[in-house]
Amino acid sequence: DVKVTQSSRYLVKRTGEKVFLECVQDMDHENMFWYRQDPGLGLRLIYFSYDVKMKEKGDIPEGYSVSREKKERFSLILESASTNQTSMYLCASRGGGNSPLHFGNGTRLTVT
Amino acid sequence: AQSVTQLGSHVSVSEGALVLLRCNYSSSVPPYLFWYVQYPNQGLQLLLKYTSAATLVKGINGFEAEFKKSETSFHLTKPSAHMSDAAEYFCAVTGSSNTGKLIFGQGTTLQVKP
Repeated sequence: DVKVTQSSRYLVKRTGEKVFLECVQDMDHENMFWYRQDPGLGLRLIYFSYDVKMKEKGDIPEGYSVSREKKERFSLILESASTNQTSMYLCASRGGGNSPLHFGNGTRLTVT
Repeated sequence: AQSVTQLGSHVSVSEGALVLLRCNYSSSVPPYLFWYVQYPNQGLQLLLKYTSAATLVKGINGFEAEFKKSETSFHLTKPSAHMSDAAEYFCAVTGSSNTGKLIFGQGTTLQVKP
């Protein structure tokens, strides 16, 4: 079974802090994704990566950046956290073709 | 470009009743379609997927969905609801490109009453 692991389940940070959310997958998937989930808005794609050191903006990249130095790890960075970034963050990975997304358990981030 | 609309943010059924969760999609290329389920405080799990083979797709936990191209729909059904089906359900679409980003609907919360 594919395992996608997010380093923290719950995180509380202060406004202006730099925040790192880490995600690791163990299935050698090329594609990795960061979504945020908010009530009534479903899942919105922040960034994705289809190879090491490659990244593409999703639908809501503002205020975020990403890093993919190794195939199994995809990091989401909030350069200067703001209260409107309080949300559930979900990492996912996917192989090629029509294979489905595999999700981690999520990180619930609160910015105060 | 692809998009997904889930009709009804909340659906309530009685235990043993039919479950019907609606999903309509828009896609400029032949779509791949997915249903995911999310239990409280967990990530999303795949229920089933349509990838241009059979139009009626069977998934886990007794769920199934039918792809109807003429209606651009991919509704999720289950003949008899269980209490354990209470969760949030997401429909998603992707094109056939290999980067494979999925576009999700807003989600439907299923409540099952005893």
